[in-house]
Amino acid sequence: DVKVTQSSRYLVKRTGEKVFLECVQDMDHENMFWYRQDPGLGLRLIYFSYDVKMKEKGDIPEGYSVSREKKERFSLILESASTNQTSMYLCASSPDGSNEKLFFGSGTQLSVL
Amino acid sequence: RKEVEQDPGPFNVPEGATVAFNCTYSNSASQSFFWYRQDCRKEPKLLMSVYSSGNEDGRFTAQLNRASQYISLLIRDSKLSDSATYLCVVGGSYIPTFGRGTSLIVHP
Repeated sequence: DVKVTQSSRYLVKRTGEKVFLECVQDMDHENMFWYRQDPGLGLRLIYFSYDVKMKEKGDIPEGYSVSREKKERFSLILESASTNQTSMYLCASSPDGSNEKLFFGSGTQLSVL
Repeated sequence: RKEVEQDPGPFNVPEGATVAFNCTYSNSASQSFFWYRQDCRKEPKLLMSVYSSGNEDGRFTAQLNRASQYISLLIRDSKLSDSATYLCVVGGSYIPTFGRGTSLIVHP
């Protein structure tokens, strides 16, 4: 089974802090994604990556950056956390050629106070 | 207009009922279609793909209507454990597009 692991299940940070959310997948997938999910808004794509060191902006990249130095790891960075970034963050991966067959991590509930 | 639209529900049905959800999409060039299931406070998981000819997996049937640009999910003999949010996903461009989900509550 594909395993997508997110480093923290719950995280509490203060406004202005730099926040790192880590995601690791063990199935050699080319594609990796970061989403946030908020009640009533569904899943919104922040960034995605289709190869090492490659990244593309999704629908809501403002206030975020990403890093993909190794194929298995995709990090989401909040440069200066703000209260409106309080959300559930979901990482996903998919194999090349099957972009829609996503495997999700269990999510990180981030609270910014 | 949102690219993928779903009725948020909730659909509240008794055990044993048959329930159906639709999902409409706006991009006529879309090539691939999926249903995901998301339990409360959990991550989404792939439930089934949707094929042009329609497909069945146990109590679940998925269908595609390209002319009217919608996909459907039919659940027969609903179980309590079917209570969840069902997300439709439409592909064809590089990035899959998620609907906001339809909530199903199955009660005794």
